[in-house]
Amino acid sequence: AQTVTQSQPEMSVQEAETVTLSCTYDTSESDYYLFWYKQPPSRQMILVIRQEAYKQQNATENRFSVNFQKAAKSFSLKISDSQLGDAAMYFCAYRGGADGLTFGKGTHLIIQP
Amino acid sequence: GAGVSQSPRYKVAKRGQDVALRCDPISGHVSLFWYQQALGQGPEFLTYFQNEAQLDKSGLPSDRFFAERPEGSVSTLKIQRTQQEDSAVYLCASSLEYSRRRGELFFGEGSRLTVL
Repeated sequence: AQTVTQSQPEMSVQEAETVTLSCTYDTSESDYYLFWYKQPPSRQMILVIRQEAYKQQNATENRFSVNFQKAAKSFSLKISDSQLGDAAMYFCAYRGGADGLTFGKGTHLIIQP
Repeated sequence: GAGVSQSPRYKVAKRGQDVALRCDPISGHVSLFWYQQALGQGPEFLTYFQNEAQLDKSGLPSDRFFAERPEGSVSTLKIQRTQQEDSAVYLCASSLEYSRRRGELFFGEGSRLTVL
């Protein structure tokens, strides 16, 4: 079974600074997708960024980028120029051959004004 | 609809009561998932539908949990004889693609169940 580990229960960053959230996963599959989802207090999961395992190039979406290290099974999220609206729970998730997503336990991101 | 819609958003039940949670996925989405999210935890997979077929129910915690999607659109998660440990947020998600590997999951806002 796949597992996803987020070792940082909480992170805090000053507004406009850069923060990196860590994620590692365990799998024997070679073809899979990795995701970062954001969950604000409203509870709705919002996709932040997606990485396909067969693509070596790291995905980027505006201020959000990932550092995907397939051999190390690491998938960290970097948020540049942090904004107050970035405050939320962030979940790393894996989608492979099994159904749906396997989530980590989440990292609570606090933005200090 | 424009997004995944879930109802009710909040449900308080007395222990032993039956509850039904509804999910209306994005129109045309083939795949539908139910997740259970305990306080301070990540979502845990419950069950998966492809159209009306329930292809995986391995995550349902007990036989008190039952899900259906009879016409391949709206889905209902039913919990019989609720227990306090059933208190959680129940998230529904849908996805356009048939392939289990591909595609983004679109989530609803969840139904928060509190069992007293």
